[in-house]
Amino acid sequence: EAGVTQFPSHSVIEKGQTVTLRCDPISGHDNLYWYRRVMGKEIKFLLHFVKESKQDESGMPNNRFLAERTGGTYSTLKVQPAELEDSGVYFCASSQFGNVGALHFGNGTRLTVT
Amino acid sequence: GESVGLHLPTLSVQEGDNSIINCAYSNSASDYFIWYKQESGKGPQFIIDIRSNMDKRQGQRVTVLLNKTVKHLSLQIAATQPGDSAVYFCAEKEGGGFKTIFGAGTRLFVKA
Repeated sequence: EAGVTQFPSHSVIEKGQTVTLRCDPISGHDNLYWYRRVMGKEIKFLLHFVKESKQDESGMPNNRFLAERTGGTYSTLKVQPAELEDSGVYFCASSQFGNVGALHFGNGTRLTVT
Repeated sequence: GESVGLHLPTLSVQEGDNSIINCAYSNSASDYFIWYKQESGKGPQFIIDIRSNMDKRQGQRVTVLLNKTVKHLSLQIAATQPGDSAVYFCAEKEGGGFKTIFGAGTRLFVKA
């Protein structure tokens, strides 16, 4: 079984530019989550998809962040325009059942905004 | 409010010794707790979990203890090995909820 894959692994952009992160969950996992870890702090929840629907986007920091999951398969997270404080590691995770069991994480995308 | 925190940001142990990583949580409604291990360049990986109707659960070389009275969770690693060096996160879920809340993590260093 292929795990959760994320692309790119690293991205360095300038303030004001746009970046799109991609996540491919484990096949058959309806639940997809985005998390972010900033400056070695806790891993913070951003949002949760069930198939193509946003179940919970309470962790999205502001309207510069846009997540989509068209067709209920892969997901993208776009940051536009990027700010310095958006730097961090963005993790995607998936699970078969949302309210039970652990999450399966990808290796993350390290975003650096200069 | 919801928060999961750790008592120590770093822990250094001698190879072969036992490690204990502690975690405090504040949400009384949480009923599912998970420990994750994150190695450099990788995402968090599931180690062990425990439900609130238990106070202890054992895996291979790892044990999780849950004290609901003081809202405390701990991860014990027996005979710590160099491969155990990583950042360990405790996480919680509220009953029936879909969101997993993570703490800041504890970095474990294993000295040879």
